[in-house]
Amino acid sequence: DIQLTQSPSFLSASVGDRVTITCRASQGIRSYLAWYQQKPGKAPKVLIYAASTLQSGVPSRFSGSGSGTEFTLTISSLQPEDFATYYCQQFNFYPLTFGGGTKVEIK
Amino acid sequence: EVQLVESGGGLVQPGGSLRLSCAASGFTFSSYHMHWVRQAPGKGLEYVSTITSDGDTTYYANSVKGRFTISRDNSKNTLYLQMGSLRAEDMAVYYCARRRSESYDYWGQGTLVTVSS
Repeated sequence: DIQLTQSPSFLSASVGDRVTITCRASQGIRSYLAWYQQKPGKAPKVLIYAASTLQSGVPSRFSGSGSGTEFTLTISSLQPEDFATYYCQQFNFYPLTFGGGTKVEIK
Repeated sequence: EVQLVESGGGLVQPGGSLRLSCAASGFTFSSYHMHWVRQAPGKGLEYVSTITSDGDTTYYANSVKGRFTISRDNSKNTLYLQMGSLRAEDMAVYYCARRRSESYDYWGQGTLVTVSS
């Protein structure tokens, strides 16, 4: 199975900060990666798919990049509503797999 | 409006069985691959299973292979997950999700499965 390693697993940041989350795959997955945001008690919401394509309706402060084994999710200016847990997921190989998550909390 | 509504969760004893359903509306159900994803309390997301749009091909996580069966009824716009030989580690909120391109673009609200004696 493809292992996805997210880092950091936790980060504390302030409103307005630029935040970067990394997802590393145990083998190449081309650009078949999605990023999700999840808030407590809610289903996840897709932010980015195909590594860098912004889902319709998602604010442009979110961006994704990478291919192969290393990917990043960047929030250019953290807003209060962005405090949540973020997950990456690969779609290149079955079984599909998720990263362990990155919890973004208010500093 | 796209809607996915799970049902069938509840309390089951270890070794028991349960069938989850996911009722879909607002889109052409038979055109989409559908998936189940779960989340144990306080833990991350875990992929469970996939079924292709025509129901001909299925995939499973190693952790559930041989114990869970995914199926669908396109005439009823409904996705199913038959779960057997349930273990404590299967306790989770189970979500159904629609796959579009390389992501899940719609998710249900989830249904909680509790495995306990």
